[in-house]
Amino acid sequence: GEDVEQSLFLSVREGDSSVINCTYTDSSSTYLYWYKQEPGAGLQLLTYIFSNMDMKQDQRLTVLLNKKDKHLSLRIADTQTGDSAIYFCAEHGNNRLAFGKGNQVVVIP
Amino acid sequence: EAQVTQNPRYLITVTGKKLTVTCSQNMNHEYMSWYRQDPGLGLRQIYYSMNVEVTDKGDVPEGYKVSRKEKRNFPLILESPSPNQTSLYFCASRRTGGNEKLFFGSGTQLSVL
Repeated sequence: GEDVEQSLFLSVREGDSSVINCTYTDSSSTYLYWYKQEPGAGLQLLTYIFSNMDMKQDQRLTVLLNKKDKHLSLRIADTQTGDSAIYFCAEHGNNRLAFGKGNQVVVIP
Repeated sequence: EAQVTQNPRYLITVTGKKLTVTCSQNMNHEYMSWYRQDPGLGLRQIYYSMNVEVTDKGDVPEGYKVSRKEKRNFPLILESPSPNQTSLYFCASRRTGGNEKLFFGSGTQLSVL
């Protein structure tokens, strides 16, 4: 089955870059996702990457995928206070999404 | 507005008292799912449904039931809630397909005393 691992906490100064990492185990996953959860809200899809890609850039977000190591990362450039949230990576396989435990990002003004 | 609506947002109940958390989506999505979110454990899938009258167990289905009589509704039923079911619950829906965005409800915080 799928097993997605994430580190738990990251603090970053406003304006700096932040990087969140994730490892997954299901090599057959076709899509990998990053979701954002703001306080008191559900999850919102931030971005995704298809498994045959190494990198995807979307404005301030850069997703890197290392299929060999089953490693996924999300880089947020010029981190802003509105980026404070919990970030979940997820992999899509067997008609289901398996989520990581989440990474709390706190942006310090 | 496209959305997934859960009710209630907050619920406090006692052990053994049956409860239902409702979930409704207005996007004509085939796929619907329930997750629970617990500190340090992330989101774990309880049940999912690929379409009307088709439901399947997720990773943590014990103590829960679901039904999918209509496409738009996917209620989560706790026949005899226990304190270990205290959690934050999310309903989600999407179209079926290779890469369809999953839409989440705002969550239901359940406390079982």
